[in-house]
Amino acid sequence: GQNIDQPTEMTATEGAIVQINCTYQTSGFNGLFWYQQHAGEAPTFLSYNVLDGLEEKGRFSSFLSRSKGYSYLLLKELQMKDSASYLCAVVDSNYQLIWGAGTKLIIKP
Amino acid sequence: GAGVSQSPSNKVTEKGKDVELRCDPISGHTALYWYRQRLGQGLEFLIYFQGNSAPDKSGLPSDRFSAERTGESVSTLTIQRTQQEDSAVYLCASSLVDRQETQYFGPGTRLLVL
Repeated sequence: GQNIDQPTEMTATEGAIVQINCTYQTSGFNGLFWYQQHAGEAPTFLSYNVLDGLEEKGRFSSFLSRSKGYSYLLLKELQMKDSASYLCAVVDSNYQLIWGAGTKLIIKP
Repeated sequence: GAGVSQSPSNKVTEKGKDVELRCDPISGHTALYWYRQRLGQGLEFLIYFQGNSAPDKSGLPSDRFSAERTGESVSTLTIQRTQQEDSAVYLCASSLVDRQETQYFGPGTRLLVL
């Protein structure tokens, strides 16, 4: 079957760095998305990786290793507003989008 | 507006009644998605429309759920004979072409079935 694994919850300190991992087992691969979702709000797009390597966007970076079926989202200089759920989603070979359950990130002062 | 809009924003209904939820995608987006999200849980895919192709209905949980889309515009999600387990936020998203594109989400409809 198809599976996306992310930690359920993580806690980090304001100003620190946190890495949220996502591993996937899917029938083929056509890209991986990261979305941010604040409580009570709709998800918003963060990043899209289809090639191996690191993509940096300000305080957020996303990494992909297709051979390992692995991605991570790196958040630097954490701010209280980064407290949210982070959703990993993979496009498989049939162009179906498979969503992870999300990682709830709690930022403490 | 420039974003995806959904209506109503909140809906309270009695068990057994039918409800209809509406989604207006971003103009020009050919792909449209419906998701369900129960409290504290991840996104549950319901249905996907891509242009004039037959929709992907593989995520619809039962035959009480149906959705339509008129061309590349408005979509409606209908839930017949609602059950308490249908209580959730129903999110609509659209993307430019297909599932490889960034999805833009609407604010959701919060459905409560009493």
